[in-house]
Amino acid sequence: DTGVSQDPRHKITKRGQNVTFRCDPISEHNRLYWYRQTLGQGPEFLTYFQNEAQLEKSRLLSDRFSAERPKGSFSTLEIQRTEQGDSAMYLCASSFSRGVPEQYFGPGTRLTVT
Amino acid sequence: SQELEQSPQSLIVQEGKNLTINCTSSKTLYGLYWYKQKYGEGLIFLMMLQKGGEEKSHEKITAKLDEKKQQSSLHITASQPSHAGIYLCGASDNYGQNFVFGPGTRLSVLP
Repeated sequence: DTGVSQDPRHKITKRGQNVTFRCDPISEHNRLYWYRQTLGQGPEFLTYFQNEAQLEKSRLLSDRFSAERPKGSFSTLEIQRTEQGDSAMYLCASSFSRGVPEQYFGPGTRLTVT
Repeated sequence: SQELEQSPQSLIVQEGKNLTINCTSSKTLYGLYWYKQKYGEGLIFLMMLQKGGEEKSHEKITAKLDEKKQQSSLHITASQPSHAGIYLCGASDNYGQNFVFGPGTRLSVLP
């Protein structure tokens, strides 16, 4: 494994349904980040973990969003009662925690809410 | 909160031409990152700059951070179609947190 992986790559769901995405970071990295990106915009920070601890959450992360990293390895992002405005690319990244580290991104999960 | 602006928003160049993309911050930059993104895909890390006046190069891409650490430029020499994509600058605070991205510059290179 040489990179960050995300699953699924694409998800189409109906409004009101719940969805869950998974991210597997680079194994040596202890930080894991979630971002949301809409067309024509840069990624927007959602939340990040250092090991299993969720250290920061954006105000963009409404109560319908929850993220976990139970064992400090993979992470899941769940969206409950999806809305059409949730349609976006959800990106995961990982990094070391020392210094000012660069983040390595996964391929993303594209969510379409119909 | 820190905001990043990029210019131009989009750029179309003929293969072989040089080009420059700029990234400007509202606050002092502690970590400035450049990424490339192909449409519908994840971000590919290009370079990171931390020190005022720092310059890094990789193949035909050179990134610079100004002395005041509020502006960075990405320069591509002799552009090729493989350089096409969206270039994003990102920045963090001095703890590697509070990561923000610019809106991106879409580059097209005509063969």
